[in-house]
Amino acid sequence: AQSVTQLGSHVSVSEGALVLLRCNYSSSVPPYLFWYVQYPNQGLQLLLKYTTGATLVKGINGFEAEFKKSETSFHLTKPSAHMSDAAEYFCAVRGGSQGNLIFGKGTKLSVKP
Amino acid sequence: GAGVSQSPSNKVTEKGKDVELRCDPISGHTALYWYRQSLGQGLEFLIYFQGNSAPDKSGLPSDRFSAERTGGSVSTLTIQRTQQEDSAVYLCASSLLGRGEETQYFGPGTRLLVL
Repeated sequence: AQSVTQLGSHVSVSEGALVLLRCNYSSSVPPYLFWYVQYPNQGLQLLLKYTTGATLVKGINGFEAEFKKSETSFHLTKPSAHMSDAAEYFCAVRGGSQGNLIFGKGTKLSVKP
Repeated sequence: GAGVSQSPSNKVTEKGKDVELRCDPISGHTALYWYRQSLGQGLEFLIYFQGNSAPDKSGLPSDRFSAERTGGSVSTLTIQRTQQEDSAVYLCASSLLGRGEETQYFGPGTRLLVL
């Protein structure tokens, strides 16, 4: 069965610093991987996804993630954090018999001025 | 519409009452998903519709939960005899055909509080 582990429930960075949010997955088949962001009292918004092809995926708001099969990882990065990046981030793998997403527990990102 | 919409945005109810939550998917999307987000359980999948059909209802937490979809569009999630542990945010998502690589687009959610 597929699963997702996000290391660190809370990450704090200074404005302008590198953002690194970690995600490891387990999957018995080639995975489809997703990162979503959730702002307070809002739904989930797709940041980026990996399906096939290039392993470095670029998304919205300057975020990118690299699929590393050997490490079963899909870490999310952004070179320079903005205050507006403060939110909760969820990594997900497409799994389950009904094609539903299986989510990690989320990482709350705080950005200090 | 432009995105997935859900109503109501907030619902406060008393234990034992029934509630109905509504989801309007993106026009033309055949696949619709319900998820629940709670502090203790994180984001968990509830049920999937392809058109009006839900092939597997085993993700629903109990037999107090039911869902339907009519006309291949609007879906309703019904919780009967609500309990305090049903308090959560209920999220609906849709995708074009339900294929693996497709993005699931989420609505803003319904925040349910059972007193």
